[in-house]
Amino acid sequence: EVQLVESGGGLVQPGGSLRLSCAASGFTFSSYWMHWVRQAPGKGLVWVSRINSDGSSTSYADSVKGRFTISRDNAKNTLYLQMNSLRAEDTAVYYCARLLVRGVMFEGFDPWGQGTLVTVSS
Amino acid sequence: EIVLTQSPGTLSLSPGERATLSCRASQSVSSSYLAWYQQKPGQAPRLLIYGASSRATGIPDRFSGSGSGTDFTLTISRLEPEDFAVYYCQQYGSSPCTFGQGTKVEIK
Repeated sequence: EVQLVESGGGLVQPGGSLRLSCAASGFTFSSYWMHWVRQAPGKGLVWVSRINSDGSSTSYADSVKGRFTISRDNAKNTLYLQMNSLRAEDTAVYYCARLLVRGVMFEGFDPWGQGTLVTVSS
Repeated sequence: EIVLTQSPGTLSLSPGERATLSCRASQSVSSSYLAWYQQKPGQAPRLLIYGASSRATGIPDRFSGSGSGTDFTLTISRLEPEDFAVYYCQQYGSSPCTFGQGTKVEIK
């Protein structure tokens, strides 16, 4: 079964740091680009970051650029999101998701992990 | 950044009725890069449609997508009880990838 499982969320004070992990199983992790998407309580989905299959290329939303770092360990089938200088507005459920592409054809984000809640509060 | 505007915000319908959800983009989006997701409370989003009109694996044929350019539509031909949820459109053709704000389909 193709599965993504996030961990590492929790309560952190403003200005603090947290590292999220996303463990992948059931597919060849090293062949896929991966994304982080977040969802503030009661709000919609917002793209955060992406990384290519070998980790050599990354991209970030302007709101997290310079504060968050996406990385991956293909030997451990794990995706990471290092979050520094956290702000109250970073409070959200963070999802990891696999990008499906066939050739140059975008086929969506699938699957998504169950999400991990990050709460930034004093 | 391409802004996706979904309408209506909430759709109140009865089981068995037809649901038509709209997603309008602020700039033209290649239909190849338009997807739809379903999200139920407390759950992760689930991919329904990609390429504007192709159903993802395991998605029932009551779900269909259409559209091009700046106007896209998700149609649920006959609502089943499990279809009451929030639906999001997404574009991936222009960086950054963006999502619409969602349409909630609720039981009338």
